[in-house]
Amino acid sequence: SQKIEQNSEALNIQEGKTATLTCNYTNYSPAYLQWYRQDPGRGPVFLLLIRENEKEKRKERLKVTFDTTLKQSLFHITASQPADSATYLCALRDSSYKLIFGSGTRLLVRP
Amino acid sequence: SQTIHQWPATLVQPVGSPLSLECTVEGTSNPNLYWYRQAAGRGLQLLFYSVGIGQISSEVPQNLSASRPQDRQFILSSKKLLLSDSGFYLCAWSVGQGVQPQHFGDGTRLSIL
Repeated sequence: SQKIEQNSEALNIQEGKTATLTCNYTNYSPAYLQWYRQDPGRGPVFLLLIRENEKEKRKERLKVTFDTTLKQSLFHITASQPADSATYLCALRDSSYKLIFGSGTRLLVRP
Repeated sequence: SQTIHQWPATLVQPVGSPLSLECTVEGTSNPNLYWYRQAAGRGLQLLFYSVGIGQISSEVPQNLSASRPQDRQFILSSKKLLLSDSGFYLCAWSVGQGVQPQHFGDGTRLSIL
């Protein structure tokens, strides 16, 4: 079955720098991949979706890339702010209705 | 606009007691509904999903059950809670199949004593 790997170690960066988070998957390439943000004690919030035929997707300061050869997606936050501190989850479709979520990477942006 | 409500936000229950967590969605019809559990520092584990009233698919064998008595209501239940049932329970909805994102409630923190 599909497995998702996200760096379990927190990413600690200085405000203003670009944060880059990695999502690797192990089996078949999914038709699309999603990224979510989760704040402590809250439910995840959908951020971006990228399809397998899209190499890159942008939304304001967010950018997602999708490399089906490497079986990897990168999530970038440019000009990071302390308010960007949260856990970021990637998710892949497992069937028509189901998503598989990674365990997430915690991002800490220092002022 | 669509909204999702989960309650209660926190719950402390003794081992062996029953459980009922409720989730309702407003502003959309015939949503797909999901129950997840998230252990501390872990990913989301899908417990149940439903594509329509009375249609429940179970992903993980356990002492939990789910029901969908109305189109926009999803209930997670247990007759006897175990210590291992502690966790953060999240309800979510989506529409259609395929690429649509899921939208989550704010969860219930369940502690079993």
